[in-house]
This record gives sequence, C-alpha cells and structure tokens, in this order.
Amino acid sequence: GAVVSQHPSWVICKSGTSVKIECRSLDFQATTMFWYRQFPKQSLMLMATSNEGSKATYEQGVEKDKFLINHASLTLSTLTVTSAHPEDSSFYICSAPDLAGVGYEQFFGPGTRLTVL
Amino acid sequence: QKEVEQDPGPLSVPEGAIVSLNCTYSNSAFQYFMWYRQYSRKGPELLMYTYSSGNKEDGRFTAQVDKSSKYISLFIRDSQPSDSATYLCATSGGGYKLSFGAGTTVTVRA
Repeated sequence: GAVVSQHPSWVICKSGTSVKIECRSLDFQATTMFWYRQFPKQSLMLMATSNEGSKATYEQGVEKDKFLINHASLTLSTLTVTSAHPEDSSFYICSAPDLAGVGYEQFFGPGTRLTVL
Repeated sequence: QKEVEQDPGPLSVPEGAIVSLNCTYSNSAFQYFMWYRQYSRKGPELLMYTYSSGNKEDGRFTAQVDKSSKYISLFIRDSQPSDSATYLCATSGGGYKLSFGAGTTVTVRA
C-alpha cells in the first residue's frame, strides 16, 4: 500500500510555543489530506480537511487560528499548533487517500505525539 | 447520536479463540465499510474494506456487512498475541471523509 510519513514522531514543547507537524505522501500524490487528533483510549477525531492549493476545511469546534494547516504541494501538508497549551497535548495523525486507488482506501501516517509542558 | 457506535471493550481472549467485533451505524447513505487495526502509539492500518452486504474473507479475517440492519462485524479466527491491538470500524458515504467508531481494544493472551 501507499506510504504516509509524519515528522516529528514525538515532540515536547513549552506552553506558548508553536509546533509544526509535517505529513508527507511518499509514493503517491494527495490533493486531499486529513488531520485527526486522538486522546488516550479514544477514537480518532477529524480536525480538518487539507486541500492542496486552497484553504483547509475545519470541523465544527476546531479553532482555525489555533491549528493552522498548509497544503503547499501534492505530497506535503503541515499542521501548526500555535501558542500550544497543555490541553493541546495529544496524538495527531494525518491520512491521505491514494487518488490512483479506490477513494475510500485511506492511508494513515504513524502519528505525532505532542506533549506541551 | 454518534454516526458509528462501537463497544470500546476491552476484550480479552485466549490464543486461538475467535474474536468478534461489531459496529452499528446510523446513516443509510454510508456505502463503504472499513476495519482498521491500530497498535499502541501507531497510526491505523487498513485491514479490510467492503462496499456491499455479505462477507469478505482475507486469511484469518472476515468482514461482514448487513446494510438492512446497519451492522458491521469483523471476525478474527485463530487469534494470536500479535493481534492484540485496537480495532476501529469506519464508514464512508463514498467520499474521502471517514466516520470512525470508538475502537475496541483486544488482548489475545498467550
């Protein structure tokens, strides 16, 4: 299957700083990528849909100014958590559908664990 | 009401047992059904997908969909300790956006 990578895999930062997480599709192009967050022992919560060359679409309740998404190329989307606070500590996962495959088959990155002190 | 309901468990079974996982969904527009496996601190990986009612087998895994009752199941035969993970069901109406269940944590005891 297609491969999606995330960087970094783990980040610890101080409260008030910003953190950027990268999501890359390694062997396919992704005009659309999805960002999720996952709290311990809970399911994935969709945060936003990242669209190449246009603005991201945010789910209800997600602050767009807090979670900045940039999808500058067909293989890279970035999520920036601005002015991070301890309550932003979570597991962030991105996914991308392989446009050459069937639309419902999505591939997930390995996730980024964010800890805000 | 959540779009996809899944019992979070946890579920503990002895090695070799059959694991049975279930989800229900509310939106009759959902056409595609998936099961993902997620190991601790890792991203989900796609196990099975179906788009019609009936059964689909892949090795030790069988996915079952009953659209009339909006019920989806995953069966794992001859379970192994390496099957210990969280299993997430997911549905889609045909687009890329997925609706996930809460995930069921499974432990297979050696």
